[in-house]
Formats: sequence, structure tokens, C-alpha cells
Amino acid sequence: EAQVTQNPRYLITVTGKKLTVTCSQNMNHEYMSWYRQDPGLGLRQIYYSMNVEVTDKGDVPEGYKVSRKEKRNFPLILESPSPNQTSLYFCASSLSWTSSYEQYFGPGTRLTVT
Amino acid sequence: SQKIEQNSEALNIQEGKTATLTCNYTNYSPAYLQWYRQDPGRGPVFLLLIRENEKEKRKERLKVTFDTTLKQSLFHITASQPADSATYLCALSGNTPLVFGKGTRLSVIA
Repeated sequence: EAQVTQNPRYLITVTGKKLTVTCSQNMNHEYMSWYRQDPGLGLRQIYYSMNVEVTDKGDVPEGYKVSRKEKRNFPLILESPSPNQTSLYFCASSLSWTSSYEQYFGPGTRLTVT
Repeated sequence: SQKIEQNSEALNIQEGKTATLTCNYTNYSPAYLQWYRQDPGRGPVFLLLIRENEKEKRKERLKVTFDTTLKQSLFHITASQPADSATYLCALSGNTPLVFGKGTRLSVIA
């Protein structure tokens, strides 16, 4: 089954404790992206990757890191989480970055930083 | 600056009526525009894509129009049902990756 998976689905952590949210897709997609979603602010892009070893900042990259060592995986790293990073996070993938291709979203990771 | 605006945060409609959602954009010249559905706590799901040279696209009870002169897309759900209640997002891109509007939360009341 074609899908994007994220782990963990739920995470409660404390300020400053490094964490990684994994994202994996099985569709051989070139493009992958991370979004955060907050009430009233919609989906905001954090980082994206157009292919292996190619990453770029989205609209809200501060406090996050990513890497793309393999085509299928695109982990999101929070080196020192803070309460303002409490949010619902989505990973997405697509054949290409252009709007001619639909994006497939993962199920989401709900992160709470206390 | 580039902007995508969806007409209202929330729209309530009676079951059986046609729901019409609006997506307006400025400072984009998109070749394509997409619509997604999102249920609470879940990831958006792709519904329809329309190209700039297509005036209208249909899929079952869904219809999307794209007017590049008005810089607007309309999303219609005919014969709406309570199961259509969700948030609907439009998305487009210029020379950058896909950008999403904030969405319109549709409630279909039985």
C-alpha cells in the first residue's frame, strides 16, 4: 500500500530534550516536506527536500533540522525543543515539487513540549 | 507579497444544498491549483487538481473552477451530506513548492 508513515504519532517531552520524528515513504517520491499546523495559522512549511541530499528552508525553519540521506526517509530533528514548538506535524511526499503533482500526507505527529 | 486566501474560516450548510468554497490568490501565476480535504487530527487528502487552461473539473459531486483573470478558484460540493463535513484546503505554487491556504471548515447540517 502506498503510504507515508510517521513516528511517533504522539510525543510529550520537556524543553531542551533532543528529539527526532521519522518520516518514510514507499512511493519512490523525489519531493518530501515537513509542515506544522497550528489553530488559525494553517499548514506552514518547515523544510523541504527536492531529492536526496537536497534540502531547503520553508517558511518556519527556526529550531528545526532535517536530513535526506536516502530517498525514502526524511527525519525532522528538534535539537532543543521549546514550548512554542508544540504543534501537529505532518510529513508529505510527492513525485515532484511542482503543483502538477499531488502530495501524500502522513498521519501526523502531535508534539507537546512542556 | 504572495497570498492565498480562502473565503471564510467556517461555512455551515444544510444537507442537500450545494456548498461553494472560494480560494483567492495574489502575486502567484500558478499553472495548477489543487484542493485537499482534511478531517480533524488527520493529514490532508488530495481531491482534485485543475490546470490553468482548464475552466472546470469534475469528480463525482465535486466541481472546481479556475479563473486566472480573477485569480480565483471555486470548489463546489453538490447534494452535500453530513459526511462532507471537513476542512477544505486549496494549494498552489509559482516557482516555489506547494503553498496551502488556511482552509475553510465546512459543516453540513442534517
